[in-house]
Amino acid sequence: AQSVSQHNHHVILSEAASLELGCNYSYGGTVNLFWYVQYPGQHLQLLLKYFSGDPLVKGIKGFEAEFIKSKFSFNLRKPSVQWSDTAEYFCAVRNAGNMLTFGGGTRLMVKP
Amino acid sequence: GAVVSQHPSRVICKSGTSVKIECRSLDFQATTMFWYRQFPKQSLMLMATSNEGSKATYEQGVEKDKFLINHASLTLSTLTVTSAHPEDSSFYICSAALAGTDTQYFGPGTRLTVL
Repeated sequence: AQSVSQHNHHVILSEAASLELGCNYSYGGTVNLFWYVQYPGQHLQLLLKYFSGDPLVKGIKGFEAEFIKSKFSFNLRKPSVQWSDTAEYFCAVRNAGNMLTFGGGTRLMVKP
Repeated sequence: GAVVSQHPSRVICKSGTSVKIECRSLDFQATTMFWYRQFPKQSLMLMATSNEGSKATYEQGVEKDKFLINHASLTLSTLTVTSAHPEDSSFYICSAALAGTDTQYFGPGTRLTVL
């Protein structure tokens, strides 16, 4: 069975700090990778996704993620966070069977 | 585009009653819809996958007779929690995949509280 782990459960940063959220998965086959964001009081929204091609994926709001196949990782990054980035971030992996497995989520708080 | 709605957003019911939750794709056709459950401070757990016009596929450990899923049209799927008990209290989230794509769009969720 595939699994997804997010290393940080809670992250607190000051505005303008750089962000990197870790995501590792365990599945030997072809996968599609996603990062979703859930702002306070709102539903899950797609931040970015990787299916194939350039392993460095750029998403909305200045976020990017890099797929490193050898490390089974898909870390999310942003060079300079804003207060409005305060949210919970979920990494998800979809296998060939179309099953989407979520990581435990990382709650990010950005201090103004 | 790609908006998914859920109704109701919150429901409180008595133990032993049944509750129906609707999931609609508002501006697109979804051949596949997914139902997730999210426990407090935990991640989403896939309960079942439903394809329009066919029986849902349930994940291991999910009782299909308790969580009835119907996907009668390309824009509507329903989850009925039958004979609900307090342990069924949770946040239920649906998602819908655009026909021909692999990206899921999520609804806002339904918070179920069983007294």
